[in-house]
Amino acid sequence: QSALTQPASVSGSPGQSITISCTGTSSDVGGYNYVSWYQHHPGKAPKLMIYEVSNRPSGVSNRFSGSKSGNTASLTISGLQAEDEADYYCSSYTSSSTPYVFGTGTKVTVL
Amino acid sequence: EVQLVESGGGLVKPGGSLRLSCAASGFTFSTYSMNWVRQAPGKGLEWVSSISSSSNYIYYADSVKGRFTISRDNAKNSLYLQLNSLRAEETAVYYCARGGSNLSMWGQGTLVTVSS
Repeated sequence: QSALTQPASVSGSPGQSITISCTGTSSDVGGYNYVSWYQHHPGKAPKLMIYEVSNRPSGVSNRFSGSKSGNTASLTISGLQAEDEADYYCSSYTSSSTPYVFGTGTKVTVL
Repeated sequence: EVQLVESGGGLVKPGGSLRLSCAASGFTFSTYSMNWVRQAPGKGLEWVSSISSSSNYIYYADSVKGRFTISRDNAKNSLYLQLNSLRAEETAVYYCARGGSNLSMWGQGTLVTVSS
């Protein structure tokens, strides 16, 4: 099972909006509404930000939103803040022999 | 407090073995699927293995199948990962994570270093 494809890096200024893409296939992203997004600050535990494409867990800022079109899912961060600087990973359920696949990861930089 | 705490990491020679543990607290452990995910230095997250709440369903990444064994003890609120025939490229931080279709809680991780 190949990793989902994400851009290596995305940057934006404070207050701006950025979008991170996550491209898979019809066997994973396109076939199921089980796409999740995780925020990972180095040295800390990853944190679930979005589940089932567009749902936010309790406590996650509404500046984070998710969507999906075809085989590509997206995470949008609006009103970018310094604390949003981190690595972001998408993941999806997959119909292959292994139930999970992660994306390649995107480093978000706040300029 | 709801938390997951991994332990058991350390330095091991190539071909060696290690057993990782993950202690859960603050939630009903026995009702959740659990997972191991790893991150090699400078690399992304890689899902390693999953086990259902009652251990009926177990899955492994192709890269570890036949060498790693996941297990759990619901009476002890604990998750385990037995790592055998370790390779240098498996040096990584190993995280335990709670969940089925999404990983809603993660531990801080335990470092496994495979080196001679």
